[in-house]
Amino acid sequence: RKEVEQDPGPFNVPEGATVAFNCTYSNSASQSFFWYRQDCRKEPKLLMSVYSSGNEDGRFTAQLNRASQYISLLIRDSKLSDSATYLCVVIPWAGTGKLIFGQGTTLQVKP
Amino acid sequence: NAGVTQTPKFQVLKTGQSMTLQCAQDMNHEYMSWYRQDPGMGLRLIHYSVGAGITDQGEVPNGYNVSRSTTEDFPLRLLSAAPSQTSVYFCASTNQGATGNTIYFGEGSWLTVV
Repeated sequence: RKEVEQDPGPFNVPEGATVAFNCTYSNSASQSFFWYRQDCRKEPKLLMSVYSSGNEDGRFTAQLNRASQYISLLIRDSKLSDSATYLCVVIPWAGTGKLIFGQGTTLQVKP
Repeated sequence: NAGVTQTPKFQVLKTGQSMTLQCAQDMNHEYMSWYRQDPGMGLRLIHYSVGAGITDQGEVPNGYNVSRSTTEDFPLRLLSAAPSQTSVYFCASTNQGATGNTIYFGEGSWLTVV
């Protein structure tokens, strides 16, 4: 089993749709969680950190479920500009700087 | 601007050649790491470092060496390039402070081995 797993998609949705991605992780002691966005294999850009209480940034909402060991990303009112690959990133142990990536979920928003 | 500087951006190598990908950060981060990204594979960890003089292997270390003689620099060496090492390489640096973690990436190095 991979340490971090994502459904690679692609997710094809119309503009204005709501779409959700999940990411599961295998190490129950994992410390930190993030969603990154990547365009055309450029460097990943931070979308948002994921906190235990859940957090929201505009149209984006991230949730962490420690009991079931997954994080989620919800995108509301999808825009064409949201088309990208979304990477789930986990820091499994504090003090290592070791980052584990999911394989990414591709989102294509269509007019 | 502060951040992670990665060079070269593009490189073509012949099989068997060696080269070094450079990575430097000016944020005094303890943690640095190298990843490769192949189509449909996400980013896979090659090597990482928790501080000057300390390195460790990641998921796909074979064919690569690293060293961390200073906090700022974390070069990745390809000892004898193979076509299987054709990929995009990303360097990252991380701080893990009391307020949380921040990850900074270099812009990537596109390597082709022919």
